[in-house]
Amino acid sequence: DAGVIQSPRHEVTEMGQEVTLRCKPISGHNSLFWYRQTMMRGLELLIYFNNNVPIDDSGMPEDRFSAKMPNASFSTLKIQPSEPRDSAVYFCASSLGLGEVETQYFGPGTRLLVL
Amino acid sequence: AQSVAQPEDQVNVAEGNPLTVKCTYSVSGNPYLFWYVQYPNRGLQFLLKYITGDNLVKGSYGFEAEFNKSQTSFHLKKPSALVSDSALYFCAVRGIGGYQKVTFGTGTKLQVIP
Repeated sequence: DAGVIQSPRHEVTEMGQEVTLRCKPISGHNSLFWYRQTMMRGLELLIYFNNNVPIDDSGMPEDRFSAKMPNASFSTLKIQPSEPRDSAVYFCASSLGLGEVETQYFGPGTRLLVL
Repeated sequence: AQSVAQPEDQVNVAEGNPLTVKCTYSVSGNPYLFWYVQYPNRGLQFLLKYITGDNLVKGSYGFEAEFNKSQTSFHLKKPSALVSDSALYFCAVRGIGGYQKVTFGTGTKLQVIP
């Protein structure tokens, strides 16, 4: 199994630009999570989906952030417009479901730098 | 609201010595507890989880964790540390019932000294 795939692995952009992060979950997994990791705030859950439907987006910091999951094998996290404080590592994770003991499998992350 | 505390930002241990990474939690009702490890420039990897039953849980790479309900703790342990164990370790908790978010701790950096 290829694991969770994220692209790009690194992104450098200028303030005000649109940024799109992509994630392909593990085949057969029904739940997908987007996290952000920074030194200051640690690991934060932004949003999660179950069966392609957003379940909880209360962690999305602002309206500049949006996430979609058009099908079971693809999700995007978009930041528009981007700001320097959005610089972080963004992780996508997937699990078999939302069952109580489901283990989450993390992708390698996208390191975003907004100048 | 549920929460996890990892009181140590960093733990240093000599290679071959036993290691402990501490975690305490707060949750309504009984918990499910997890440990994940993150190597540099990598995503988090699952190590082990406590669901129910035996308080001592064994996981990957020789790690184990002990659930202590009275102390609301779930410390990660290994009898003999390896240099390759050096990484960032995250404890996580979620409550039982329905779907509740998994809450991660702030992480503890483990440094194993040769």
